[in-house]
Amino acid sequence: DSGVTQTPKHLITATGQRVTLRCSPRSGDLSVYWYQQSLDQGLQFLIQYYNGEERAKGNILERFSAQQFPDLHSELNLSSLELGDSALYFCASSVRTGTEAFFGQGTRLTVV
Amino acid sequence: DQQVKQNSPSLSVQEGRISILNCDYTNSMFDYFLWYKKYPAEGPTFLISISSIKDKNEDGRFTVFLNKSAKHLSLHIVPSQPGDSAVYFCAASAWGETSGSRLTFGEGTQLTVNP
Repeated sequence: DSGVTQTPKHLITATGQRVTLRCSPRSGDLSVYWYQQSLDQGLQFLIQYYNGEERAKGNILERFSAQQFPDLHSELNLSSLELGDSALYFCASSVRTGTEAFFGQGTRLTVV
Repeated sequence: DQQVKQNSPSLSVQEGRISILNCDYTNSMFDYFLWYKKYPAEGPTFLISISSIKDKNEDGRFTVFLNKSAKHLSLHIVPSQPGDSAVYFCAASAWGETSGSRLTFGEGTQLTVNP
């Protein structure tokens, strides 16, 4: 158990809909990262937050947004969903930026 | 632009032998390198890391070697065990004061250790 909690574990939704993925980082970790893993592909970095502020952005679509709340949990919002958004979405946390990150079990999103 | 590359999608070794997983990178700003192991339906698990000021780091059966001039790192697992069968991801980071940091991952190598 990495200490990073992601909910829900599975999500099935229709095209055009909006979903919110939630992440609770390990206790004491200030940095939260979101990654996307599509079928048979590597982990693509989406966005990083550190202590409530956005610190780095990857190839995150404009339809996607994220935030980190004062209690350090983070949410990833995906809107106007398309079939190609079906993927595993991982959240990771680290004590500070630039150190090893610990991953949650992921949310498997299926868009039908 | 794939800044971290794992050119071998799969590797098969016999139990008890050495497994060597390789990784190449192109960004000379990377200063911290990590290996993660991933089982199906689970999140990646941190395995071992190395700073760019070192060329070797060892933790039990796992050793990571870094060759900065070649922009190459490798993970050695000795002896390999069937439970080591998983996908191994190489990752690298470059910290920037204004840009923060991220882990850039390779595509992964599926290691299969045969009994």
